[in-house]
Amino acid sequence: GNSVTQMEGPVTLSEEAFLTINCTYTATGYPSLFWYVQYPGEGLQLLLKATKADDKGSNKGFEATYRKETTSFHLEKGSVQVSDSAVYFCALSEAPSNTGKLIFGQGTTLQVKP
Amino acid sequence: DTAVSQTPKYLVTQMGNDKSIKCEQNLGHDTMYWYKQDSKKFLKIMFSYNNKELIINETVPNRFSPKSPDKAHLNLHINSLELGDSAVYFCASSPSETGGYTEAFFGQGTRLTVV
Repeated sequence: GNSVTQMEGPVTLSEEAFLTINCTYTATGYPSLFWYVQYPGEGLQLLLKATKADDKGSNKGFEATYRKETTSFHLEKGSVQVSDSAVYFCALSEAPSNTGKLIFGQGTTLQVKP
Repeated sequence: DTAVSQTPKYLVTQMGNDKSIKCEQNLGHDTMYWYKQDSKKFLKIMFSYNNKELIINETVPNRFSPKSPDKAHLNLHINSLELGDSAVYFCASSPSETGGYTEAFFGQGTRLTVV
């Protein structure tokens, strides 16, 4: 079945450090890929998305590129801030069933220290 | 204006009780979902409704019964609560568009604790 695997956390960085959170997926068809962020005590917010191979999603300084050849969607940010501390989830939306169902990775906790 | 709102935010109850969680979205979406987040923060879909019709039921015990009175509401009723039901339950909605679905919008979550 379809699945998403993320690097295990927690990831602890100093402010202004470079961030990479790895995400790989297994899927049939051509899924859409997403990164969601969950701040402490809150729900999930969409951070960025990509719907086809080679698309790059970007938002708030975060970027991820849909790589079909490596089945990956790694999240990157050039300079993290304390306010980026959260749990990050990689997810895919199955296709071609198009039910909107999201399959999530296990989440990666990011802690940024001043 | 809250896009996807759930009530209550916290729910503490005893084993064996029956409880409901309500969800409403004002985004005009026609698809709504319930996801469960366990203590390790792993998220898994439970149910999905499209225009009040159940389209996903992911091997969830039949103690869990979703109800969608209209496409803006999706409630979750849980009978005979068990300790293992303790989790955070998230409601979400998404629009269905030609060619597939876009992203889902999530509520703030309901933290259910069964004691």
